[in-house]
Amino acid sequence: DAKTTQPNSMESNEEEPVHLPCNHSTISGTDYIHWYRQLPSQGPEYVIHGLTSNVNNRMASLAIAEDRKSSTLILHRATLRDAAVYYCILLTGNTPLVFGKGTRLSVIA
Amino acid sequence: DAGVTQSPTHLIKTRGQQVTLRCSPKSGHDTVSWYQQALGQGPQFIFQYYEEEERQRGNFPDRFSGHQFPNYSSELNVNALLLGDSALYLCASRERGGNSYNEQFFGPGTRLTVL
Repeated sequence: DAKTTQPNSMESNEEEPVHLPCNHSTISGTDYIHWYRQLPSQGPEYVIHGLTSNVNNRMASLAIAEDRKSSTLILHRATLRDAAVYYCILLTGNTPLVFGKGTRLSVIA
Repeated sequence: DAGVTQSPTHLIKTRGQQVTLRCSPKSGHDTVSWYQQALGQGPQFIFQYYEEEERQRGNFPDRFSGHQFPNYSSELNVNALLLGDSALYLCASRERGGNSYNEQFFGPGTRLTVL
């Protein structure tokens, strides 16, 4: 079962920043925090991952709480193409991805 | 690079039939996983193949079986189809020697409808 908790849905205005929260209070020391997203009619795609420190890449930023029990995916300027279901997943070793229901992000023009 | 490819795109079968879905991993990837995604749900892990052997398996019955070929491509077979097997079937691949910080690349999926 998924070990993360996310809001079912969120809404954002286009070109505004979006903060997608994820709670993972039972995270272990070896768990990496991964984010994937699934655009309509497509397979999931990797967004970002981290262990302890905040991470940035061309798609997003990942802010990890100091106690690692929560994290936030940050989209700096949401576009209509960012409308998708976002999944927060804990991953350790060679374990498979365990998807919950994720957060459905709607972007309003 | 074509990424992960899957065939067919769509498939319609009737209850009791058997189906085979195919997946070609991204170039350089040797680990292939299969997922089932029911409507409105997140993908559920079926199994993972590496070095032509099933390495891990999720909570799916034996009706679901697979195979990996020497070129790393993979097949998912489902026997005795049930209405509940209707779903999007996703294939994902990972780099050689992948571990928890290697991203997985997903294909577009095969939409299976069982009537």
